[in-house]
Amino acid sequence: SYELTQPPSVSVSPGQTASITCSGDKLGDKYACWYQQKPGQSPVLVIYQDNKRPSGIPDRFSGSISGNTATLTISGTQAMDEADYYCQAWDSTTVVFGGGTKLTVL
Amino acid sequence: QVHLVQSGAEVKKPGASVKVSCKASGYTFTGYYMHWVRQAPGQGLEWMGRINPNSGGTNYAQKFQGRVTMTRDTSISTAYMELSRLRSDDTAVYYCARALGVGEAGDYWGQGTLVTVSS
Repeated sequence: SYELTQPPSVSVSPGQTASITCSGDKLGDKYACWYQQKPGQSPVLVIYQDNKRPSGIPDRFSGSISGNTATLTISGTQAMDEADYYCQAWDSTTVVFGGGTKLTVL
Repeated sequence: QVHLVQSGAEVKKPGASVKVSCKASGYTFTGYYMHWVRQAPGQGLEWMGRINPNSGGTNYAQKFQGRVTMTRDTSISTAYMELSRLRSDDTAVYYCARALGVGEAGDYWGQGTLVTVSS
């Protein structure tokens, strides 16, 4: 079955750039998206179709993809960005999630 | 304004079934697939399947084949997810999510329904 791999944790200082990766076989041939989830809340879509931002998502969130790796980049990271982030891809008739990355802003 | 409102928390015994509802408003219900995703305590997101509200067609994750049934009632813009033969490890928050067409990204999510399976 298809798998997506994320680092379990990433740390960043306030105001710096955070990068979270998501790797999967031929991921560049599929569309990747990213969710932010804060404790006790439902996931929020922050990037879809590799690099598109839904309305209302700050432009400090961006997405890119190269080969087998998708990357979520948060520029000028703020304390409010501390959350779990999940990548997702659509493989054939199945949705696959990455294991999630806990972003710590310290 | 798009809203997905789910039914309330449930407590079930092992072996029982649970049916969670997801009422949609603010958009054409039959125009978007609805996905169901669950999250066990302290764990990541797990996809269960999706339903095409227009046709009723479904795709289920292999893990849940034979135990999950997704249906919809277009007259009241509501999707349902029923999970049978519950086990303790089915204890989780269950979410419905409307999916964008390309890449199946979930752009709107319900508030989640906690299902607790305990004897």
